[in-house]
Amino acid sequence: EAGVAQSPRYKIIEKRQSVAFWCNPISGHATLYWYQQILGQGPKLLIQFQNNGVVDDSQLPKDRFSAERLKGVDSTLKIQPAKLEDSAVYLCASSLTGAGGQTDTQYFGPGTRLTVL
Amino acid sequence: AQSVTQLGSHVSVSEGALVLLRCNYSSSVPPYLFWYVQYPNQGLQLLLKYTTGATLVKGINGFEAEFKKSETSFHLTKPSAHMSDAAEYFCAVSFYGNNRLAFGKGNQVVVIP
Repeated sequence: EAGVAQSPRYKIIEKRQSVAFWCNPISGHATLYWYQQILGQGPKLLIQFQNNGVVDDSQLPKDRFSAERLKGVDSTLKIQPAKLEDSAVYLCASSLTGAGGQTDTQYFGPGTRLTVL
Repeated sequence: AQSVTQLGSHVSVSEGALVLLRCNYSSSVPPYLFWYVQYPNQGLQLLLKYTTGATLVKGINGFEAEFKKSETSFHLTKPSAHMSDAAEYFCAVSFYGNNRLAFGKGNQVVVIP
């Protein structure tokens, strides 16, 4: 079974530029998550999708971050414009359902390491 | 709000010695508890999880953890460290009604030959 795929693996940009990350979850997984992992910290949930609807985006900085999950499969996370403090690893994860109190295991992709100069 | 505390960002252990990583949580409702491992340049991999039932949970690679409600703890142990255990370990918590994980800061484990 193929795992969660993410691209690109690394990205270096100047501040105020825009950047986009792509995630392809495990086939059949309804729930998709984006996490931000700053160096020396644990991952922090940015947004959770259930199929193509947003379940939780309370920690997403909506003035500069946006995310979408078209057709309930692939997802993109965009930052525009980027700030120095956005330098981090962006992790995508998926789980089978994740709805209604279940504790589905989340499967993580390898992440995209973003450096903002 | 729920939170997870992992003390000591870096943990050094000799090969063959006990691995002990501590995790404490704060919550007013019963939590679900997880340990994940992250190898360099890779995503997180689930080691083990506690939801309900038996409080001693066994995971992959010889790791186990015990949920102690009275101590609000979920410490991770392995009797004998192997060089391949060098990685970063994260404790996480979620709750009934959602599947959102809140992570601790992690422990970087170094295994000394």
